[in-house]
Amino acid sequence: DTGVSQNPRHKITKRGQNVTFRCDPISEHNRLYWYRQTLGQGPEFLTYFQNEAQLEKSRLLSDRFSAERPKGSFSTLEIQRTEQGDSAMYLCASSLGTGPGEPQHFGDGTRLSIL
Amino acid sequence: RKEVEQDPGPFNVPEGATVAFNCTYSNSASQSFFWYRQDCRKEPKLLMSVYSSGNEDGRFTAQLNRASQYISLLIRDSKLSDSATYLCVVNGLGPGANNLFFGTGTRLTVIP
Repeated sequence: DTGVSQNPRHKITKRGQNVTFRCDPISEHNRLYWYRQTLGQGPEFLTYFQNEAQLEKSRLLSDRFSAERPKGSFSTLEIQRTEQGDSAMYLCASSLGTGPGEPQHFGDGTRLSIL
Repeated sequence: RKEVEQDPGPFNVPEGATVAFNCTYSNSASQSFFWYRQDCRKEPKLLMSVYSSGNEDGRFTAQLNRASQYISLLIRDSKLSDSATYLCVVNGLGPGANNLFFGTGTRLTVIP
């Protein structure tokens, strides 16, 4: 399977714990994006990388959230001191990086549930 | 004001019907427009890009009206497998030009 891969698929944790998600983009894609989606809403942009550089972060990305893409391939999204409101589907997407506003291809997502 | 606004539906239509969804976007300088499809508890998948002149892909037709900042999707001869949520998507501006903004989605159920 050469699509975007995310793991874990599901994560259940207690409030206050730290969690980390991983995304492996399509191999020839140099842009990688993180989104959050809650029930009844469309995905909301969190942050994006061009190769290893994090080029933009949404206001939604509080200082408890950090994302990295150290070698320009896979990326991790960490949430520290999780809160109830962090419960959501976290989606990763990637794109070729040939121009602005190009189509993005999504992974299956990681569903986070905070107890 | 949200970047993209859509009627959430639901739209319940019989098999074989024609159904149309609309959305409006707020940034007049947006350049890229898409329709994505999302099945329940699955990831969004690109259905089609939307071009200024309008474009068609089989039973699906997308239209863009830049003057009114309005995008539409027409589905002809609806199939049961078309049941899903349809997300209207536009890109951002300036440094955010690579970001995509999603509407809340319009839910379609095709009934046998």
